Amino acid sequence: AQKVTQAQTEISVVEKEDVTLDCVYETRDTTYYLFWYKQPPSGELVFLIRRNSFDEQNEISGRYSWNFQKSTSSFNFTITASQVVDSAVYFCALHAGNNRKLIWGLGTSLAVNP
Amino acid sequence: ETGVTQTPRHLVMGMTNKKSLKCEQHLGHNAMYWYKQSAKKPLELMFVYSLEERVENNSVPSRFSPECPNSSHLFLHLHTLQPEDSALYLCASSQGVWGAFEAFFGQGTRLTVV
Repeated sequence: AQKVTQAQTEISVVEKEDVTLDCVYETRDTTYYLFWYKQPPSGELVFLIRRNSFDEQNEISGRYSWNFQKSTSSFNFTITASQVVDSAVYFCALHAGNNRKLIWGLGTSLAVNP
Repeated sequence: ETGVTQTPRHLVMGMTNKKSLKCEQHLGHNAMYWYKQSAKKPLELMFVYSLEERVENNSVPSRFSPECPNSSHLFLHLHTLQPEDSALYLCASSQGVWGAFEAFFGQGTRLTVV
């Protein structure tokens, strides 16, 4: 079975705090892809990152960083020095096998307060 | 215009009404999708089109009828809906139908069935 778990339903932080959003996945496939998308209040999901199962290097993009650990089946997302504009729902997703579907987590709603 | 555009942004309809949702993409993508987003549920993939041909229908009730007249436009025709169909309906496009392609989403249509 394939599954994505985002255990944190809601997180609230104060601006400039660092925050980590957790994502744990399940799959028996050896080749798979993991994604993070951001959904701001305007509604559209915005692609943030895709990582394939053969690349465990951590990724940094500005204030965003991702920690992929196959040993714990986790693909966590950290925002450093959070800003109010980071307030959104963040989704982790998994693609595995030869199909068209993404398996989505339920999302983590992040509120960054001034 | 660029990206994926959905109209209308909000729609309230009675259970006996017929309405249509429209999606347009200006990205030159070959694949288009309809998703349903309900509270506390994972994103649900409804339909997938590749080059105007429907390639996936995920057990969606017949009261939802998609149409893809060309690779840039996608419609979702609605008739005799139920209150439980109230949700955010998101359109997306990608380079191809393989699930690991980055998807670009519209802002969604917030549908309320009364």
